[in-house]
Amino acid sequence: SQQGEEDPQALSIQEGENATMNCSYKTSINNLQWYRQNSGRGLVHLILIRSNEREKHSGRLRVTLDTSKKSSSLLITASRAADTASYFCATEPNAGGTSYGKLTFGQGTILTVHP
Amino acid sequence: DSGVTQTPKHLITATGQRVTLRCSPRSGDLSVYWYQQSLDQGLQFLIQYYNGEERAKGNILERFSAQQFPDLHSELNLSSLELGDSALYFCASSPVGTKSPLHFGNGTRLTVT
Repeated sequence: SQQGEEDPQALSIQEGENATMNCSYKTSINNLQWYRQNSGRGLVHLILIRSNEREKHSGRLRVTLDTSKKSSSLLITASRAADTASYFCATEPNAGGTSYGKLTFGQGTILTVHP
Repeated sequence: DSGVTQTPKHLITATGQRVTLRCSPRSGDLSVYWYQQSLDQGLQFLIQYYNGEERAKGNILERFSAQQFPDLHSELNLSSLELGDSALYFCASSPVGTKSPLHFGNGTRLTVT
């Protein structure tokens, strides 16, 4: 089963609005990452947050991590039509150094931004 | 452009057949990962290689196998194909493994008829 569960499954907003996507996971992690996928294309890494970090920013992206609740959120501010894509959270488990960077992905949130 | 190259882009084959998917990682990356993406299962980790050696195995069927060659390119072999094997197969690479983001190729879309 998937480690990460994302919410909502789909999100439709107008350009200029903010988009918030949530991710929950089950086990202890080293880090949590967010990826973006345009239809039928490869995933593109957006941002990585380590387990000892609570918040991280990158341009219009803001990620939070709450390890006590095993959850993360991705906020995209001032959205654009070009932000239309699927967004996935991915977790690297804390497996005593044996995870070797293996990531487990959630089911993703489909974001549609209308011009 | 992620720097990860996958070939072919599309593959259409019949049930029972065998195919090979190829991946060239980003220059300098030692780790290669294979993922399968389907509508019902989502993104599933299949297998990881690091500098030629298998490092981690996920939900990879016995009919599937992979290897990483000395030049670091990798191949995923799928045999006795079934309709349910139709999916997007992604290769990703990273420099070392832990705490490194993955760089994905654009995938091979496999259709089994």
